[in-house]
Amino acid sequence: NAGVMQNPRHLVRRRGQEARLRCSPMKGHSHVYWYRQLPEEGLKFMVYLQKENIIDESGMPKERFSAEFPKEGPSILRIQQVVRGDSAAYFCASSPSGALRGETQYFGPGTRLLVL
Amino acid sequence: KNEVEQSPQNLTAQEGEFITINCSYSVGISALHWLQQHPGGGIVSLFMLSSGKKKHGRLIATINIQEKHSSLHITASHPRDSAVYICAISGGGADGLTFGKGTHLIIQP
Repeated sequence: NAGVMQNPRHLVRRRGQEARLRCSPMKGHSHVYWYRQLPEEGLKFMVYLQKENIIDESGMPKERFSAEFPKEGPSILRIQQVVRGDSAAYFCASSPSGALRGETQYFGPGTRLLVL
Repeated sequence: KNEVEQSPQNLTAQEGEFITINCSYSVGISALHWLQQHPGGGIVSLFMLSSGKKKHGRLIATINIQEKHSSLHITASHPRDSAVYICAISGGGADGLTFGKGTHLIIQP
């Protein structure tokens, strides 16, 4: 039973390029969370999605960032026109039934984004 | 003031010592989570608890809902326990977890 998969594990982009980060939840999980860990800082919630729905995006920067979780395929976190301040580790987590039940979240290995 | 406060921020101990990491929170929660982040960066969920006490191997987690406080204990600590231990809450506002800043634990042989 594979865990949460994220790819790529490392991504290097130049300023102004786009970054696409992918997350495949654990089998049977339909709830996905994205978190960001800036260098020397703690983890911060970005967005919570169910299949085809964004449930809570209160932690997402208002510009350049978007997320989706289509009916088929992985969840995608997209960062347009990246800047150096976007350099961070981006973690995806999944759970079976959703936030209201206070469930255990299972984390992927993360994508380390470096913006040159 | 952060919703989740951890102490200590850094802790160095000798192998075999009993370790305690504390977490306080300031809002109502549905659950409290203890996570472990290894130097390679991966994050593992250790415990999720909403009351009482849980034990897994040498790890024990307790929570006092009235006092809004939780502790993570490690008995007979070992160098492989060296990691960042992170306290997080769910149900505190946003639908995702709200995290403490973590406790950097180093166990020396």
